[in-house]
Amino acid sequence: QSVLTQPPSASGTPGQRVIISCSGTSSNIGINMVNWYQQVPGTAPKVVIYRNDQRPSGIPERFSGSKSGTSASLVISGLQSQDEATYYCSVWDASPNGWVFGGGTKLTVL
Amino acid sequence: QVQLLQSGADMKKPGASVQVSCRTSGYTFIDYYMHWVRQAPGQGLEWLGRLNPKSGYADYGQNFQGRVTMTGDTSTNTAYMELTSLTSDDTAVYYCVRGLGGGAIRQWFDPWGQGALVTVSS
Repeated sequence: QSVLTQPPSASGTPGQRVIISCSGTSSNIGINMVNWYQQVPGTAPKVVIYRNDQRPSGIPERFSGSKSGTSASLVISGLQSQDEATYYCSVWDASPNGWVFGGGTKLTVL
Repeated sequence: QVQLLQSGADMKKPGASVQVSCRTSGYTFIDYYMHWVRQAPGQGLEWLGRLNPKSGYADYGQNFQGRVTMTGDTSTNTAYMELTSLTSDDTAVYYCVRGLGGGAIRQWFDPWGQGALVTVSS
């Protein structure tokens, strides 16, 4: 299983707000910054949030991130059909040294 | 624009080795770490390791120590990942991805290559 824990699935209707959680430990999320990636089936992942709460250019303001203690969250407001994808959290883990990922949360827009 | 173009799909027998290439363009190759991440069919993402193209130094994920080698060719701006002693568990899409942001542990991954499917089967 993955070092970081994410719910396997989430869903919402267009316009709703969805929160995806990512739980870690004191050796990863507790001391380092979290990144979030979006993966549409059949394509490579794409960063949507970096360094906990920073949004790359081209990513809509509807996407936001936060971190508290050993957990992080990705929030998608004003849900749209094109947001349907799998979302992964990722962070550097100091024990043992390496990048780790959550198991992914498949978001369905109903 | 920044592009990472990977080699094509490959099929190997158990026990063999595979090399995946990642040709870069649109940025200065030696200025950014190159990471390798894989994704088994229907599964999540797994980090294999990273290469510092400027120094040639690479460090690897614990699960791949002794089995993976990452190198770079600064004359062609191409990164390579070789994985040995393949088993069926190594069947996956292998991605190269640039590490952005200063600080080796403060990075994020962008952009990703298109991926290279490696199938291990007898």
